[in-house]
Amino acid sequence: DAGVIQSPRHEVTEMGQEVTLRCKPISGHNSLFWYRQTMMRGLELLIYFNNNVPIDDSGMPEDRFSAKMPNASFSTLKIQPSEPRDSAVYFCASSYLLAGGGNEQFFGPGTRLTVL
Amino acid sequence: RKEVEQDPGPFNVPEGATVAFNCTYSNSASQSFFWYRQDCRKEPKLLMSVYSSGNEDGRFTAQLNRASQYISLLIRDSKLSDSATYLCVVSGGNSNYQLIWGAGTKLIIKP
Repeated sequence: DAGVIQSPRHEVTEMGQEVTLRCKPISGHNSLFWYRQTMMRGLELLIYFNNNVPIDDSGMPEDRFSAKMPNASFSTLKIQPSEPRDSAVYFCASSYLLAGGGNEQFFGPGTRLTVL
Repeated sequence: RKEVEQDPGPFNVPEGATVAFNCTYSNSASQSFFWYRQDCRKEPKLLMSVYSSGNEDGRFTAQLNRASQYISLLIRDSKLSDSATYLCVVSGGNSNYQLIWGAGTKLIIKP
């Protein structure tokens, strides 16, 4: 299995531009997570999908952030307009969530975003 | 109080030594516990799950103390390749999907 795939690996953009991050979860997994990691705040959960449905988006910072999962093999995280404080590493993770537990998450390599 | 607390370190340890980290959590209803490892500029990867009875994987031993609400990780005969940040992760309790992440403990193994 190729694992979780993310693209792009690096993105440098200017303030005000739209940024789209992409993720392909591990085949067969039913849950997908978007995280943001910075030195100051550590790893923060942005949004969680289960069976392609957004379950919890309470971690999404503000309306500039949106996420979609049109099918089981693809998700996007969009920032519009981007701001310098959005600079971070964005991770996508997937898991097979069991009702009784067992929620090990597998991470993609991350997208390192720099907003100038 | 943070939901999951770890000593950020860094722990500077000579190669071959034994090192231990603790992590405390606040939600007594948490059911799942993990240690993840994150190398510099890489993604977190699962090191081991932590079971109630404790578990061992080679040089690594994890323990859970529910009464005191902490988990521990012991690394024996440390190697240079063990240098990384170790993240303590706890399930959210009421929400099985949610993992609460500690900020990590940085370990540096010196030759």
